[in-house]
Amino acid sequence: GQSLEQPSEVTAVEGAIVQINCTYQTSGFYGLSWYQQHDGGAPTFLSYNALDGLEETGRFSSFLSRSDSYGYLLLQELQMKDSASYFCAVTRLGGKLQFGAGTQVVVTP
Amino acid sequence: EPEVTQTPSHQVTQMGQEVILRCVPISNHLYFYWYRQILGQKVEFLVSFYNNEISEKSEIFDDQFSVERPDGSNFTLKIRSTKLEDSAMYFCASRVDSNSNQPQHFGDGTRLSIL
Repeated sequence: GQSLEQPSEVTAVEGAIVQINCTYQTSGFYGLSWYQQHDGGAPTFLSYNALDGLEETGRFSSFLSRSDSYGYLLLQELQMKDSASYFCAVTRLGGKLQFGAGTQVVVTP
Repeated sequence: EPEVTQTPSHQVTQMGQEVILRCVPISNHLYFYWYRQILGQKVEFLVSFYNNEISEKSEIFDDQFSVERPDGSNFTLKIRSTKLEDSAMYFCASRVDSNSNQPQHFGDGTRLSIL
């Protein structure tokens, strides 16, 4: 079957580092994307990995291991505004996104 | 920065009625998508559209659904006879080209409530 697994919730304090893991099982894999969503608003693109390794974009980094069907999103120097849902999504043939169930990140003072 | 715009932001409709959700993708984008998100659940793919035709559709996108690009700017999703289970947030997205490195840009969504 086709599925993505990610933790349902992570809680951390301001300034901390959070890692959100994502494992996937799918055909037609082109890459792994990460999106942020605040309170049911528009999913906002954060990062994309097509090849193995680490991609860094400011405080956010994303990693992919295609052989392990595994990736993660790393949020550094957490801020209150980072409280949101984070979705991993497989980019499949034709460009469509297959989303995971999302991880709710709660940042506390 | 250019963005995807969707109207209306909230649509309330009686069951069995037709509804049209509207989207204006980013102007130089060529690939268009509709997704839906039932409250508290994940975002689900509905349909992709390129070169004035459907590229791919999911099992959710049955005969009650249709998409259209009536002019050079709008991209619409029509539900012919709405059901209670169609209540969800509907997101439109666009992408500039076929390069998988290019992200999809999402609109703010239309919240569809079926009574």
